[in-house]
Amino acid sequence: GENVEQHPSTLSVQEGDSAVIKCTYSDSASNYFPWYKQELGKRPQLIIDIRSNVGEKKDQRIAVTLNKTAKHFSLHITETQPEDSAVYFCAASKEGSGGSYIPTFGRGTSLIVHP
Amino acid sequence: DAGVIQSPRHEVTEMGQEVTLRCKPISGHDYLFWYRQTMMRGLELLIYFNNNVPIDDSGMPEDRFSAKMPNASFSTLKIQPSEPRDSAVYFCASSLVYSGYLETQYFGPGTRLLVL
Repeated sequence: GENVEQHPSTLSVQEGDSAVIKCTYSDSASNYFPWYKQELGKRPQLIIDIRSNVGEKKDQRIAVTLNKTAKHFSLHITETQPEDSAVYFCAASKEGSGGSYIPTFGRGTSLIVHP
Repeated sequence: DAGVIQSPRHEVTEMGQEVTLRCKPISGHDYLFWYRQTMMRGLELLIYFNNNVPIDDSGMPEDRFSAKMPNASFSTLKIQPSEPRDSAVYFCASSLVYSGYLETQYFGPGTRLLVL
């Protein structure tokens, strides 16, 4: 089955700095890669996703890049703010004909943004 | 839409007792997922349903766990008998597949289970 590795497990940055979280996956058939943000005591919520037919997607201060050859994808947060502090999860799944749609999650990255 | 609804939000029980967690997915969603989240193991998929039919329950830890989806608007996850190691946050999530693409997976608020 799919295996998703996520690094780092903890990331501490100063407000205004950039933060990068990296994930690798093992199944080359995976084609959908969502990122979730989970604030303390809250539910995971989708913040951005990317499909394998694109290499990069951006939404204001967050962006995701995908390298299908290397089987890794990354989340980039620029101009970090204290409210970005949360646990971030990456995931990989297979869509389309024969796809299972079962997402495999990384272990999560705890991002701490210091004011 | 109220989103995915879970009940109870908190459950404290004693070892050996039966626990039933409930979930109401977003109307129209045809996929329902049950997850368990702990510090040690992260977010684990336990089972998922498509159109009320269990598709993959390989994540269910053992026979003490069972899940049902009697209709499109209701699912239960039951633990009988419960054990302290079952203490975790249990999330239900629902989603929709449209034209072969999985739409956003929406999570419920979770049930915090503590087994003493």
